[in-house]
Amino acid sequence: DTAVSQTPKYLVTQMGNDKSIKCEQNLGHDTMYWYKQDSKKFLKIMFSYNNKELIINETVPNRFSPKSPDKAHLNLHINSLELGDSAVYFCASSSVNTEAFFGQGTRLTVV
Amino acid sequence: DQQVKQNSPSLSVQEGRISILNCDYTNSMFDYFLWYKKYPAEGPTFLISISSIKDKNEDGRFTVFLNKSAKHLSLHIVPSQPGDSAVYFCAASANFGNEKLTFGTGTRLTIIP
Repeated sequence: DTAVSQTPKYLVTQMGNDKSIKCEQNLGHDTMYWYKQDSKKFLKIMFSYNNKELIINETVPNRFSPKSPDKAHLNLHINSLELGDSAVYFCASSSVNTEAFFGQGTRLTVV
Repeated sequence: DQQVKQNSPSLSVQEGRISILNCDYTNSMFDYFLWYKKYPAEGPTFLISISSIKDKNEDGRFTVFLNKSAKHLSLHIVPSQPGDSAVYFCAASANFGNEKLTFGTGTRLTIIP
């Protein structure tokens, strides 16, 4: 039973394309996140949703749009992909009384 | 501006000895600190945490120490085991439960059999 699952695990795509990464959690958590780990291994928060409401939106290009259809899902859509978007994207979830649980990551490579 | 710093990118320790991983932070608003462990091609997994009202928290072989005045925390693993070989991330947040986690860059720990 995977607590936080992301798909796909690997994604290779050309510049200019639009792609989505999906995330689902079966922990009953209220809050979900997207983090980005770049080539320098910095792991930084991008977005946070609580009960489908956006609560954290760091300085991220408008090409990145998160969507939360329900509190168990938080998808990340990226338009007009650029080389600099290549990174590992981690989804995570938490609740008031628990630490954040992370998914396995999606390695995005833009060529 | 790196608010959480792990100045040692790597550390090698003999099996059975103590591993000590260090972390420094600059933001005085941080009051909750966590350590995550990460294996290759996997997501970070929570290891241990400490609130700013404490200076020590212990869980089995893992102990985290917090020195608020120095804005420093450390993770002690004793005895170190080969399965402990991983990247360890220090993280901090301004309050537990509303966690915008700010991560350090990680320390790669290698346990030598």
